[in-house]
Amino acid sequence: SQQGEEDPQALSIQEGENATMNCSYKTSINNLQWYRQNSGRGLVHLILIRSNEREKHSGRLRVTLDTSKKSSSLLITASRAADTASYFCATVLSGAGSYQLTFGKGTKLSVIP
Amino acid sequence: GAGVSQTPSNKVTEKGKYVELRCDPISGHTALYWYRQSLGQGPEFLIYFQGTGAADDSGLPNDRFFAVRPEGSVSTLKIQRTERGDSAVYLCASSLGPWTEAFFGQGTRLTVV
Repeated sequence: SQQGEEDPQALSIQEGENATMNCSYKTSINNLQWYRQNSGRGLVHLILIRSNEREKHSGRLRVTLDTSKKSSSLLITASRAADTASYFCATVLSGAGSYQLTFGKGTKLSVIP
Repeated sequence: GAGVSQTPSNKVTEKGKYVELRCDPISGHTALYWYRQSLGQGPEFLIYFQGTGAADDSGLPNDRFFAVRPEGSVSTLKIQRTERGDSAVYLCASSLGPWTEAFFGQGTRLTVV
């Protein structure tokens, strides 16, 4: 079953604009991670945010986490055509014995040059 | 090696046949994951290894699927009596431990005809 659900399913923007993707989840987490996937093959880790953190930055990426709403957002600023990809959030549940990274269905981002 | 290596990159097999998919993780990574991804979906968890042992195999869909990691490095995912519904991209990832960023291979695209 999907723990995280991304919204929107697809997003199309012009180069230079900002892109915002959202992720909602259902149960308490240890951390939440964002990944990027080009052409349906390997995933690349972008950023990890722990349950006691509210915001993290990495280059043009900004991730927020609201544990009270069980939601996270990924903001890509000043988008480039090379940012075109699918973006997934993945959660690690809290509690002993929780090892799975559980992925959502992803947001397909298209950046138009 | 520099990254997670998966072989073969593509595999076409006939329904009912046995297949083995190999994953070579990043040296020193004790944690290893197998995922399965169908078109338009997020990766679906199959199994997690910590060292040589399967700490969580709750994602294996049935007893036709089995995975081993005998020396705590290379892992093999084995599928018996393949069915057309097994067609998907099988992804392997490794990490320094649970709850940390995972590094994915490029996947094996399995097609059962």
